[in-house]
Amino acid sequence: AQTVTQSQPEMSVQEAETVTLSCTYDTSESNYYLFWYKQPPSRQMILVIRQEAYKQQNATENRFSVNFQKAAKSFSLKISDSQLGDTAMYFCGLDRSGTASKLTFGTGTRLQVTL
Amino acid sequence: DAEITQSPRHKITETGRQVTLACHQTWNHNNMFWYRQDLGHGLRLIHYSYGVHDTNKGEVSDGYSVSRSNTEDLPLTLESAASSQTSVYFCASSTGTSTRTGELFFGEGSRLTVL
Repeated sequence: AQTVTQSQPEMSVQEAETVTLSCTYDTSESNYYLFWYKQPPSRQMILVIRQEAYKQQNATENRFSVNFQKAAKSFSLKISDSQLGDTAMYFCGLDRSGTASKLTFGTGTRLQVTL
Repeated sequence: DAEITQSPRHKITETGRQVTLACHQTWNHNNMFWYRQDLGHGLRLIHYSYGVHDTNKGEVSDGYSVSRSNTEDLPLTLESAASSQTSVYFCASSTGTSTRTGELFFGEGSRLTVL
């Protein structure tokens, strides 16, 4: 079985600051895929960033980057220059199948960006 | 623009009734998924399909069924609704067979209340 743990139910950050959301996981697979999805208050989830476990280089998408520590089974999301539009639930996910049939999500972190 | 739509967005029903949630995507994606979202559980996979006439059980499939008669639609049926099935349901789709290159595209969700 695989598990994904997000230990921070809620976080708050001021606009323009940097915030890091934590995610740890457990799997016995050697290759898998990791994701961060964002669910804004309107509720439609969108992909923020993905990481392939066999790639050592951390993924980056504009203001979003990850710190992938494979040995520690850690996959944190860093948001730089936080904006009000970043306010959302963030879900960490792990897919060991490569086809989303074994994609496990964490319980989510609610991020509030304040003025 | 391509999209994925769910209906109804809100539904109240009684215990024991049959309920069907519709999901329609115009992405022409082969893969479609149904998740339920509950507080403290994140998103959990109910059923998924990799193409027409293909259906597979997910993590929490008991009490649910799906059928795939065409590429665009994957309706989710609750044969006899139970209060434990009160939840927010999300449909998602993806292209190809690998999440290495394919992301999940989510609908806006259907909130179901079973009284």
